Amino acid sequence: KAGVTQTPRYLIKTRGQQVTLSCSPISGHRSVSWYQQTPGQGLQFLFEYFSETQRNKGNFPGRFSGRQFSNSRSEMNVSTLELGDSALYLCASSWGQDLTEAFFGQGTRLTVV
Amino acid sequence: DAKTTQPTSMDCAEGRAANLPCNHSTISGNEYVYWYRQIHSQGPQYIIHGLKNNETNEMASLIITEDRKSSTLILPHATLRDTAVYYCIVRVHKAAGNKLTFGGGTRVLVKP
Repeated sequence: KAGVTQTPRYLIKTRGQQVTLSCSPISGHRSVSWYQQTPGQGLQFLFEYFSETQRNKGNFPGRFSGRQFSNSRSEMNVSTLELGDSALYLCASSWGQDLTEAFFGQGTRLTVV
Repeated sequence: DAKTTQPTSMDCAEGRAANLPCNHSTISGNEYVYWYRQIHSQGPQYIIHGLKNNETNEMASLIITEDRKSSTLILPHATLRDTAVYYCIVRVHKAAGNKLTFGGGTRVLVKP
């Protein structure tokens, strides 16, 4: 069974640009969550999607958005990139609505220059 | 979700048991204790979770005190590959989302 796949693994963008990250969950999983990890703030929850609906949202500005498709794949978008957006972005998938365990991908390392 | 307190770091000898404490004194009756770990440059990995009974799986054991205000994750025979940051998370087990709130975790270094 394939794990959670995140693409791309590494990305370098310039301030002011926008970026789209992709996450393919484990087959059959309907919940996808996104997290940002930085040395200063640690792992922080961004948002969660379940059956194409955003169910939870963390405390991030509106520049951070996401969506989920009918096949459960998810994308997150960051517009007007800032240097502080440099981070490891992690995606996690879970089977249902009640968390038993979340399976994380390897993450996308975003560097904003 | 209840807040957790973990030591910042700890060392452990290879082959010995590693006992990782977690305090969650404000835990509610319907909140579960979850443990995840993150090996360097990888995504977090689920280890175990429990409500009030002790739990064991192929990776670790979870001991929860009777008053549920603290718990201990036990890695029975630590290996060098167990070097990681271990996160103790307390959350309600309900159909309100799969959000995980990570704290600072415990940085565990297994030494040969």
